[in-house]
Amino acid sequence: DAGVIQSPRHEVTEMGQEVTLRCKPISGHDYLFWYRQTMMRGLELLIYFNNNVPIDDSGMPEDRFSAKMPNASFSTLKIQPSEPRDSAVYFCASSFGGGGNQPQHFGDGTRLSIL
Amino acid sequence: EDKVVQSPLSLVVHEGDTVTLNCSYEVTNFRSLLWYKQEKKAPTFLFMLTSSGIEKKSGRLSSILDKKELFSILNITATQTGDSAIYLCAVDNYGQNFVFGPGTRLSVLP
Repeated sequence: DAGVIQSPRHEVTEMGQEVTLRCKPISGHDYLFWYRQTMMRGLELLIYFNNNVPIDDSGMPEDRFSAKMPNASFSTLKIQPSEPRDSAVYFCASSFGGGGNQPQHFGDGTRLSIL
Repeated sequence: EDKVVQSPLSLVVHEGDTVTLNCSYEVTNFRSLLWYKQEKKAPTFLFMLTSSGIEKKSGRLSSILDKKELFSILNITATQTGDSAIYLCAVDNYGQNFVFGPGTRLSVLP
């Protein structure tokens, strides 16, 4: 079975540029999560969706970040404009059922470097 | 504020040793606690615990939850170099969100 697929795997760009991260969840999963991981702050939940609807975006750091899920098989996380402090690994995860009823399956992440 | 604390943050042992990793939590509406192993890439699921006192076991790994004292432990017996990873504890506060701890970085030396 295909797992959660994220693209790109690596992204290096200059500050001020728009960055778009993509995620394809596991087919049939109704929850999708976006996380950010840094050495300083560990793993942080940014936003999660249930049936394509954003449920909690309180973890989104500021207005420069936005996420969409236009359909059950695709989500994007956009940063505009990007800043060096946005450099991190961004993970997408999906699950069938919310929260801890079922474990979340993580993608391999996108390593983002903002110069 | 919901929080998850893990200890130790870092641990170095030799192959064959037994280790115990700790996770304590404070959340408003606990539903479950999950353990993940993160090597080079994404976290991979190990255990999900919902009831106190029931040990979950998978090979050399085992975990138990104490909902009264608000903590969980993850035991690894006869450690191997392949067990070297960051072990993450996460708590679900009833679908509000997931709260992850900072992780324990385990290094197993040959």
